[in-house]
Amino acid sequence: EPEVTQTPSHQVTQMGQEVILRCVPISNHLYFYWYRQILGQKVEFLVSFYNNEISEKSEIFDDQFSVERPDGSNFTLKIRSTKLEDSAMYFCASPGRGALGQETQYFGPGTRLLVL
Amino acid sequence: RKEVEQDPGPFNVPEGATVAFNCTYSNSASQSFFWYRQDCRKEPKLLMSVYSSGNEDGRFTAQLNRASQYISLLIRDSKLSDSATYLCVVNPSGSARQLTFGSGTQLTVLP
Repeated sequence: EPEVTQTPSHQVTQMGQEVILRCVPISNHLYFYWYRQILGQKVEFLVSFYNNEISEKSEIFDDQFSVERPDGSNFTLKIRSTKLEDSAMYFCASPGRGALGQETQYFGPGTRLLVL
Repeated sequence: RKEVEQDPGPFNVPEGATVAFNCTYSNSASQSFFWYRQDCRKEPKLLMSVYSSGNEDGRFTAQLNRASQYISLLIRDSKLSDSATYLCVVNPSGSARQLTFGSGTQLTVLP
């Protein structure tokens, strides 16, 4: 299975602070995705990013969120002013193909964000 | 109606048992279907894709019924290592632009 890496693995921050989560997706893909999972809840789509632009975003992805590609291989998710309810696991994902050839996504190990 | 709905679980089964999970989806135009597994506090990992004709991967069999908008996963000869949460995942567009996840069904295989 292709590897997606994320840093940091854990982040603790104070409410109102800015956080930046980093992802190195599978190389040679122009698409990447961010998802989040609040503890005990389902995985939810946040945003897809294609060729340096947002392709799709969900209702969760409001003005406090932004995504960037600061260099050729890294992608970031920035939360400008964190709220308590932003505490969650944040996953980035890269496109891939399953064994039967269907397009799917491979997920990084996640960053666990705790907002105090 | 939830976009992707799964058996509430949890399922606790003995080693060697056969267990089946069900899932329904609301968007009839959905194109691709998957089962992922998620271990506690880890990322979702692709278990298998699901094709209309049904497909098998070792002890795992997936079925899709487009008319009923229903997906299933059958695990035979359960192992302790199968203990995880199983996520039903649907891609509405077929191009993997946005995956929609079910809430998952927790499976514990007991020795």
